[in-house]
Amino acid sequence: DTGVSQDPRHKITKRGQNVTFRCDPISEHNRLYWYRQTLGQGPEFLTYFQNEAQLEKSRLLSDRFSAERPKGSFSTLEIQRTEQGDSAMYLCASSLLTGDNEKLFFGSGTQLSVL
Amino acid sequence: KQEVTQIPAALSVPEGENLVLNCSFTDSAIYNLQWFRQDPGKGLTSLLLIQSSQREQTSGRLNASLDKSSGRSTLYIAASQPGDSATYLCAVRGVLAAGNNRKLIWGLGTSLAVNP
Repeated sequence: DTGVSQDPRHKITKRGQNVTFRCDPISEHNRLYWYRQTLGQGPEFLTYFQNEAQLEKSRLLSDRFSAERPKGSFSTLEIQRTEQGDSAMYLCASSLLTGDNEKLFFGSGTQLSVL
Repeated sequence: KQEVTQIPAALSVPEGENLVLNCSFTDSAIYNLQWFRQDPGKGLTSLLLIQSSQREQTSGRLNASLDKSSGRSTLYIAASQPGDSATYLCAVRGVLAAGNNRKLIWGLGTSLAVNP
């Protein structure tokens, strides 16, 4: 298994443009998370899926953000009408939930720069 | 409300030194605690996960301990090497929230520099 992969690694865009990121989790993992991280901060929870169901979305997430996991495998995160404040590292993580405990495995992230 | 604090925020040590990174949390009702490593501009690598019923976990030169009653975890790195230079974050899995998601609460990390 190659772990969690994210694409692209880097994205530079102009303010107002739409961007889409992809995450491929570890194949047998049923949970998939999206986080955002800015310099010097811990990861900030955005949303998560159990299989194809999106079970929670952070209240901090504006309507410009949408995520999908159509077949319970890969996921996409789209940001519409990007703003400079969206510049951050977007991290995807997956896990296999067993009982009450789960261990998260992270991808390398997508670094977004909005000019 | 669970809060996670990591001290020190930054640490610089000479190669070969044994060192301890600290993580404290305010609510002892946790499910597990996980230590991660993050290299600059990169994602997070899971190092060790300690279940709430465990006291410690070891992997190679790393040893993580957990004392739920005092709200503390330590990450011990033996015989540090320049390749250990990175930011180390701890994350506590806490209370049950919406959608059966036990939220991860993160510390801000300790930035470690091991000098050759």
